[in-house]
Amino acid sequence: QKEVEQNSGPLSVPEGAIASLNCTYSDRGSQSFFWYRQYSGKSPELIMSIYSNGDKEDGRFTAQLNKASQYVSLLIRDSQPSDSATYLCAAPPAGGTSYGKLTFGQGTILTVHP
Amino acid sequence: NAGVMQNPRHLVRRRGQEARLRCSPMKGHSHVYWYRQLPEEGLKFMVYLQKENIIDESGMPKERFSAEFPKEGPSILRIQQVVRGDSAAYFCASSPLQGHDTEAFFGQGTRLTVV
Repeated sequence: QKEVEQNSGPLSVPEGAIASLNCTYSDRGSQSFFWYRQYSGKSPELIMSIYSNGDKEDGRFTAQLNKASQYVSLLIRDSQPSDSATYLCAAPPAGGTSYGKLTFGQGTILTVHP
Repeated sequence: NAGVMQNPRHLVRRRGQEARLRCSPMKGHSHVYWYRQLPEEGLKFMVYLQKENIIDESGMPKERFSAEFPKEGPSILRIQQVVRGDSAAYFCASSPLQGHDTEAFFGQGTRLTVV
């Protein structure tokens, strides 16, 4: 089982809809999770971080964490064509000292069509 | 406040040559991480460094790859005797501190092409 697993998609939604991106993780000790957005040919850009169970909202983005189910998601409201990108879920190892050492999922390709 | 700076952005090397990739972390950041993204694959951790110390190199290939972060100057990822399979995007990330809420910010990457 992969440590961080995402639906590879691709996911296609119409403009204005809610895009829902999902991620599961295998290490129960994981405490923090990050969502990165990567446009084709570009570098990953951090868009959300979440450390506690529940929801965290930032503009059109909402991250949800459920530690009991080992599940983290990202909702994008009012999706725009400019949101079309690959979304990467990432988590550092539980315990240890290499917290910036992230394990990334394979990414979900999102396409928002006008 | 400049972000993570990587250079060169694009690097072409012939098989057998050496590739040197440089990374300057964000101001105030003392932790540097290198990742590799092979074509059509995900981001994979390679190495974690602090000034003058390699903290975790569990993702580094055993041969030909090395990394350093000297007291002065950028972090360097060095690939000796490059092969075609080394062609990839190499990203550097930096963070300001160490902890479970560490947020890492990525540079623009170096696209290495081995011909």
